Amino acid sequence: AQTVTQSQPEMSVQEAETVTLSCTYDTSESDYYLFWYKQPPSRQMILVIRQEAYKQQNATENRFSVNFQKAAKSFSLKISDSQLGDAAMYFCAYRRRPGSQGNLIFGKGTKLSVKP
Amino acid sequence: DTGVSQDPRHKITKRGQNVTFRCDPISEHNRLYWYRQTLGQGPEFLTYFQNEAQLEKSRLLSDRFSAERPKGSFSTLEIQRTEQGDSAMYLCASSLGSGTDTQYFGPGTRLTVL
Repeated sequence: AQTVTQSQPEMSVQEAETVTLSCTYDTSESDYYLFWYKQPPSRQMILVIRQEAYKQQNATENRFSVNFQKAAKSFSLKISDSQLGDAAMYFCAYRRRPGSQGNLIFGKGTKLSVKP
Repeated sequence: DTGVSQDPRHKITKRGQNVTFRCDPISEHNRLYWYRQTLGQGPEFLTYFQNEAQLEKSRLLSDRFSAERPKGSFSTLEIQRTEQGDSAMYLCASSLGSGTDTQYFGPGTRLTVL
């Protein structure tokens, strides 16, 4: 069975600085998708960034980028120029390739605090 | 707003009562998922629908839980004879069912069982 591990329950970053959130996963499959979702306090979960396993190039979305190391089964999220609005729970998630069971498998999350 | 909506946002009930939650997915999305999230944990998969067909159920979905998606549009999740352990956030997500098939989440229904 696939598992997702986020080893940092909490992280803190100074406004305008850079922070990296870690995620490792376990799977025997070669084709899959990885996601980072953000869940602000009392607000709904939103997609931050996604990575397709067959793509070697790391995904980027504005201030958010990932370091995808397929052999190491590592998928970290880097947030540059951190803003107060980045404070939230961040969840790493895994999903098998389309055509199969499509549910997401989540890690336990990392709570990110941003200090002004 | 054409995002995923859920109703109610909060539900407080007494142990033993039945509750029903509703999810309205993004209109063109044919896949719909239910997850449960307890405090300090990531969401856990409960069940999913492809159009009106319920294709997968987690072992977390006990016999007291039932989900439907009539006509492949909105979905309902019913919990019968609620227990205190059912207290959680129930999240609904929908996806297009093609490409990277990204799931978009609703705001959730927070259930408190007294």
